Amino acid sequence: GQSLEQPSEVTAVEGAIVQINCTYQTSGFYGLSWYQQHDGGAPTFLSYNALDGLEETGRFSSFLSRSDSYGYLLLQELQMKDSASYFCAVYPSGNTPLVFGKGTRLSVIA
Amino acid sequence: KAGVTQTPRYLIKTRGQQVTLSCSPISGHRSVSWYQQTPGQGLQFLFEYFSETQRNKGNFPGRFSGRQFSNSRSEMNVSTLELGDSALYLCASSLAPGSNEKLFFGSGTQLSVL
Repeated sequence: GQSLEQPSEVTAVEGAIVQINCTYQTSGFYGLSWYQQHDGGAPTFLSYNALDGLEETGRFSSFLSRSDSYGYLLLQELQMKDSASYFCAVYPSGNTPLVFGKGTRLSVIA
Repeated sequence: KAGVTQTPRYLIKTRGQQVTLSCSPISGHRSVSWYQQTPGQGLQFLFEYFSETQRNKGNFPGRFSGRQFSNSRSEMNVSTLELGDSALYLCASSLAPGSNEKLFFGSGTQLSVL
């Protein structure tokens, strides 16, 4: 089976950098994804890591280390609009659906 | 290109009733998945459909069922509603199974069971 652990809440200051960690236990997977969800909104795809290393998309970067069973989402130059919930998700091997963590609620304060 | 459309947006039902939720995927997307989201519990997988066939089913009781039509639209049904079924039900589409690394979600149907 698969399980993912991420902090439930994180608070950071506008303009700062924040890292949201995701540790997982899985028997095998293709990659790790990150989704953002604003209150009352739909989850939206942010990034996907199929390989170890860093993927950068504008202010957001995502990292994966399979040997450490660990990944993170890095948000730079935080803006108030980044206040949202962030979910990591593994794409397991085989005919199995995406498995999500319980989400990290990020609050950006002035 | 229109996104994933879910109807209705809000529903209020009473215990024992049944409910049907609808999802229209992005045009060209043939895979549809359903998730249940409750506060603090993340997204729990319900079903996955492709070409009108259920490919996967999550760990939910038989009261939860679904189907997919030839135009890829999908519906899910919950019978004999319980208070614990109150949740946001999200539908997501992707081009096909195997492209699950990137799902496109609808805004969901917020179901309240009284």
